[in-house]
Amino acid sequence: GQQLNQSPQSMFIQEGEDVSMNCTSSSIFNTWLWYKQDPGEGPVLLIALYKAGELTSNGRLTAQFGITRKDSFLNISASIPSDVGIYFCAGLGAQGAQKLVFGQGTRLTINP
Amino acid sequence: NAGVMQNPRHLVRRRGQEARLRCSPMKGHSHVYWYRQLPEEGLKFMVYLQKENIIDESGMPKERFSAEFPKEGPSILRIQQVVRGDSAAYFCASSPGGGLYEQYFGPGTRLTVT
Repeated sequence: GQQLNQSPQSMFIQEGEDVSMNCTSSSIFNTWLWYKQDPGEGPVLLIALYKAGELTSNGRLTAQFGITRKDSFLNISASIPSDVGIYFCAGLGAQGAQKLVFGQGTRLTINP
Repeated sequence: NAGVMQNPRHLVRRRGQEARLRCSPMKGHSHVYWYRQLPEEGLKFMVYLQKENIIDESGMPKERFSAEFPKEGPSILRIQQVVRGDSAAYFCASSPGGGLYEQYFGPGTRLTVT
């Protein structure tokens, strides 16, 4: 089945630093979604990407849909303590397919 | 709050008992999905339903697991004769359909089998 490889698995940064994480796949995806999950909670949708090459921002977050449709990137600028959590990429594959395939997650820790 | 609602938030069952997890989608959403998450892992798709129909159950174990989304009321994920390996967080998501694929998740039900 389709798989997403997300990296890095964890990041330890200083407050104020920028963050980059990515997801890659050997399969083509038609939609990419980025989520953040806090402990004990459900994933919260951050950004949705629908077109190859698309670059979308949500506040300090910016995500891109790779032109090959096999990867996506999420950047967080000027990190703050509330950015701590686990970030997941998720993709929708075949046209009309509704099941999300999730990456393994990137755990972000921020040192104040 | 018009978000996805799930209950209970925590459920403890002994081996062999049944577990029933409930999900009410966001207002106006007619598509419901169930996912399972083991500790330190990503979410894994289980089943996709629309009102009164199972659309895709390719991620659902063949035995003991069933799901429904009746015309009235919440979607139910039912696990019969639970085993320790069923212990996980179960998340429900909903989407509006009509070509909009963004899925919004509920807070999850954490099932512990003792």
